[in-house]
Amino acid sequence: KAGVTQTPRYLIKTRGQQVTLSCSPISGHRSVSWYQQTPGQGLQFLFEYFSETQRNKGNFPGRFSGRQFSNSRSEMNVSTLELGDSALYLCASTWGTGELFFGEGSRLTVL
Amino acid sequence: AQSVSQHNHHVILSEAASLELGCNYSYGGTVNLFWYVQYPGQHLQLLLKYFSGDPLVKGIKGFEAEFIKSKFSFNLRKPSVQWSDTAEYFCAVNWSWNNNNDMRFGAGTRLTVKP
Repeated sequence: KAGVTQTPRYLIKTRGQQVTLSCSPISGHRSVSWYQQTPGQGLQFLFEYFSETQRNKGNFPGRFSGRQFSNSRSEMNVSTLELGDSALYLCASTWGTGELFFGEGSRLTVL
Repeated sequence: AQSVSQHNHHVILSEAASLELGCNYSYGGTVNLFWYVQYPGQHLQLLLKYFSGDPLVKGIKGFEAEFIKSKFSFNLRKPSVQWSDTAEYFCAVNWSWNNNNDMRFGAGTRLTVKP
């Protein structure tokens, strides 16, 4: 059974640009969550999607957005990038038990 | 708002020493509790989980955790650590009154085990 797949794995952007990250959940998982991981801050919850609907949102500015498609794949977008957005962005999926299965993450560097 | 606190930012132990990492969460109610581990260069993996029943749960690699409801705690323990346990450990809580998957994580504890 394939795990959670995130693309791209690494990317470098400059301030003011925008970025789109993609996540393919484990087959059968309908819930996808996104987290931002930075040193010392741990994992900060961004949002969670289920059946193409955003059910939860963390405390991030509106520059951070996401969506989920009918096949449960999800994307997140960050517009007008700032230096502080440099982080590892993690996607996790679950079929409902609450146990999250994580991808390897997309490491974003903003210059 | 819901929050999860991990007491130790960085723990350094020698091999064979015992380990206990603290985790506390806010609010009561029904909770699902987890410990995840992130080995260097690898993705987050589940160590153990508690949903209900026996408050002492056993996970992989000899880890265990105890849920103490009155203290809102879910501390992770291992009697004898190995060098291969060097990793970052995250406590996570999913509040069940919220049927959505809104899992909150602590800031993590970096464990360094010296050979």
